[in-house]
Amino acid sequence: EAAVTQSPRNKVTVTGGNVTLSCRQTNSHNYMYWYRQDTGHGLRLIHYSYGAGNLQIGDVPDGYKATRTTQEDFFLLLELASPSQTSLYFCASSDPWGPQDTQYFGPGTRLLVL
Amino acid sequence: GDKVKQSPSALSLQEGTNSALRCNFSIAATTVQWFLQNPRGSLMNLFYLVPGTKENGRLKSAFDSKESYSTLHIRDAQLEDSGTYFCAAEGAMLSGSFNKLTFGAGTRLAVCP
Repeated sequence: EAAVTQSPRNKVTVTGGNVTLSCRQTNSHNYMYWYRQDTGHGLRLIHYSYGAGNLQIGDVPDGYKATRTTQEDFFLLLELASPSQTSLYFCASSDPWGPQDTQYFGPGTRLLVL
Repeated sequence: GDKVKQSPSALSLQEGTNSALRCNFSIAATTVQWFLQNPRGSLMNLFYLVPGTKENGRLKSAFDSKESYSTLHIRDAQLEDSGTYFCAAEGAMLSGSFNKLTFGAGTRLAVCP
């Protein structure tokens, strides 16, 4: 059973639209991450969290908000979507206190902003 | 990005042959992870490395923190090895914060019959 799930898997919105991407992990991990993947850039970190109620700014945070409501759930918010935010979004979780700090990824959400 | 540079950017292999992918870091890395993104887009972790080597089946990876590079060797390539391979480095100097990974742009591998 998948330990990191994302919804929706695909989303189309218009410029200025409001989008929420959801991520849930059942790994009991404290750390969760949101990345975007674009051709030529690999994955770039948007926001991450150490635990419920915590939020840390990543490398490409502009235009994004995030909220970690529980240990399991991490949301990425695009309040005024722009075409430049068309991308493939991945959520991940990890446990840095475990034997190795491997990041486990969800299946991704494809977002198209028209 | 430029802090983690992968080579080659793309590679085509005949089934049954061997190859190596490389990742160079411009600043000190403390750990390295290698991922495979399959053609459907799913990301799978292959290796988590502190300085040293690890082997798993036909895959072997090495991380040399002094020389700031990591390699991923593929032996007897199979069709299911096709996809994009990403390396990612963790290090306080690279990301400025604990536990953040910086990814390379990836190596797109196609294994042909």
